Amino acid sequence: DAGVTQSPTHLIKTRGQQVTLRCSPKSGHDTVSWYQQALGQGPQFIFQYYEEEERQRGNFPDRFSGHQFPNYSSELNVNALLLGDSALYLCASSFFGETYEQYFGPGTRLTVT
Amino acid sequence: QKEVEQDPGPLSVPEGAIVSLNCTYSNSAFQYFMWYRQYSRKGPELLMYTYSSGNKEDGRFTAQVDKSSKYISLFIRDSQPSDSATYLCATSYNFNKFYFGSGTKLNVKP
Repeated sequence: DAGVTQSPTHLIKTRGQQVTLRCSPKSGHDTVSWYQQALGQGPQFIFQYYEEEERQRGNFPDRFSGHQFPNYSSELNVNALLLGDSALYLCASSFFGETYEQYFGPGTRLTVT
Repeated sequence: QKEVEQDPGPLSVPEGAIVSLNCTYSNSAFQYFMWYRQYSRKGPELLMYTYSSGNKEDGRFTAQVDKSSKYISLFIRDSQPSDSATYLCATSYNFNKFYFGSGTKLNVKP
């Protein structure tokens, strides 16, 4: 049973650039949530997608946007990158309505220089 | 005030010890409580989740929620070196938005 996969593993970008991160959910899951985890901190909720719509959003600016595809995979886009966007970006998948049982991918480590 | 507060540690114990990890939360509306384990450079791994108050046991792990004091605990019995990781508590009230603590780093010495 394939778990949650994310790509790329690592990414280095320059301030002001744009980045797209990708996530494939665990087999059978239909809901994808994205988190930002700064070094030494817990994950912070960015947003959640279900049925190709953003269902809930955390306290993140509009520079952070996402998309969910019909096969439930998802993308996270960040525009106008800031140095403070450097973090581990985690994707988690679950069944809608059972998101207390969400499973995380290994993350994409983004470094903004 | 942060929604979930967690002592960052590090917590160092000898192998075989009982470990107690704790969090406090601010919003009494929170209903679901989760514990995750995160190894270095990996994503968090769900250990246990509980609903409302009470205890839940799974092998060497016991999760405890006291809603009257807004206190969440995870106990690890017979701790092993392989338990060395960062432990994250999390909570939610609507299934869709989760609040995580900052994590407690645990080191179990052989």
